[in-house]
Amino acid sequence: AQSVSQHNHHVILSEAASLELGCNYSYGGTVNLFWYVQYPGQHLQLLLKYFSGDPLVKGIKGFEAEFIKSKFSFNLRKPSVQWSDTAEYFCAVNVRNSGGYQKVTFGIGTKLQVIP
Amino acid sequence: DAGVIQSPRHEVTEMGQEVTLRCKPISGHNSLFWYRQTMMRGLELLIYFNNNVPIDDSGMPEDRFSAKMPNASFSTLKIQPSEPRDSAVYFCASSSYYGYTFGSGTRLTVV
Repeated sequence: AQSVSQHNHHVILSEAASLELGCNYSYGGTVNLFWYVQYPGQHLQLLLKYFSGDPLVKGIKGFEAEFIKSKFSFNLRKPSVQWSDTAEYFCAVNVRNSGGYQKVTFGIGTKLQVIP
Repeated sequence: DAGVIQSPRHEVTEMGQEVTLRCKPISGHNSLFWYRQTMMRGLELLIYFNNNVPIDDSGMPEDRFSAKMPNASFSTLKIQPSEPRDSAVYFCASSSYYGYTFGSGTRLTVV
C-alpha cells in the first residue's frame, strides 16, 4: 500500500523567511501528487497538484512544489512566507488501486506557524 | 457549484446517543470519502464509496460506526452509541480524477 511521509510536523518561521516542507511517498507506479492547506478552523483546500509534464508545479499564493521521481519526493516551497500562511499543510498521493478505484493517501500534516 | 455540503456544522451530544452526520457531494463526482481529524491521530480515512458502493471500510473504528450512500447525492455517517473518544471533526470529501474537494466538516463533541 502506498504511504506518504512528511518529515516536519511543526515548523516555525519568521515572516519573509523561505519555506520548504518535505514530502516523500512510497509507491512504484504512476502517481498524482497534491498539497492541501488547512487554515485554522477551516477545511482542507487544494494548494497545487502534479499529474504529468513539468515537474515544477506552481500553485496559489506563491507556493510551488517540485516532483523528483528518483527521490519519490514532492517538496513544497515558498520563497517568502507571510503571517497569513500560518496553517497545516498536507501532502497527498493519488493512485489507482488493484480494483481500479482512485484512492488518495494523506500525510500526517505539517503545522506551519509564521511569526510576524 | 456549492461544493461539498456537510451538516450539521457542530454537534454536541451525550454519551450513548446516536449521532448522524450528513454529506452532499459535488454533482458528478463519483467517489465520496469520510475522514476523521483529531489532534492525536491527524486525518484518518474511515470509509470511501465509488459510485455509491462502499469500497474500503477498513478505517471504520468499530461496529458503532456505519456509513451509507443511498444515492449519488447523499451520504450519512452514523455513530451508535457515541462515546467521548469519538469527539473529532468529521470531513466528507468527494472527488473526480483531479483531486478532492472537502466539505467544511462537522465538529462533534460527545460529553
